[in-house]
Amino acid sequence: GAGVSQSPSNKVTEKGKDVELRCDPISGHTALYWYRQSLGQGLEFLIYFQGNSAPDKSGLPSDRFSAERTGGSVSTLTIQRTQQEDSAVYLCASSLFTVTDTQYFGPGTRLTVL
Amino acid sequence: AQSVTQLGSHVSVSEGALVLLRCNYSSSVPPYLFWYVQYPNQGLQLLLKYTSAATLVKGINDFEAEFKKSETSFHLTKPSAHMSDAAEYFCAVSFPGGYNKLIFGAGTRLAVHP
Repeated sequence: GAGVSQSPSNKVTEKGKDVELRCDPISGHTALYWYRQSLGQGLEFLIYFQGNSAPDKSGLPSDRFSAERTGGSVSTLTIQRTQQEDSAVYLCASSLFTVTDTQYFGPGTRLTVL
Repeated sequence: AQSVTQLGSHVSVSEGALVLLRCNYSSSVPPYLFWYVQYPNQGLQLLLKYTSAATLVKGINDFEAEFKKSETSFHLTKPSAHMSDAAEYFCAVSFPGGYNKLIFGAGTRLAVHP
């Protein structure tokens, strides 16, 4: 079946602009995660959704970052007033509910802030 | 706090040689442990996972890893390297009550030469 998809694959923006990154999880997966992969920080957790609620937002680096999930499916990560340090690859993953279920990752969105 | 340390940011082996990628973890509760692989310009793919069953875990492409509680280690091995194994490998930990969010090591880039 279809895997996790993310769009756009690449996004170039100017400092100070807002961006939206989209994730379509595997159908039926109730858990959804956002991670960020950058040269300086490696792979780091951002936020976790179970259904439409986000019980763990502990990884969001600042209040410029927000995310929502609607219909228990698609999720959008929004970065307001982008800064150069936001440049990274943003990865989305989904899994079934239980704690040991495998997380399946999308191909990522490469964000470049000029 | 939970953390993961991967020893060696770069490992180089000859084709046909043993692959050994090292991972040590720190966790105050029994962890779940994972190895993911990332091929160039692709997303993360699960190689194998330990979730408190057998301590020797077999994964895809002849990779395996052994959970050693006394050494807090989860090293990844493969008996014979192929050129196609060249990629970046990430060790990760999650833990009960942590919503299954993954905490990643810094990664090890594996090079395979003829």
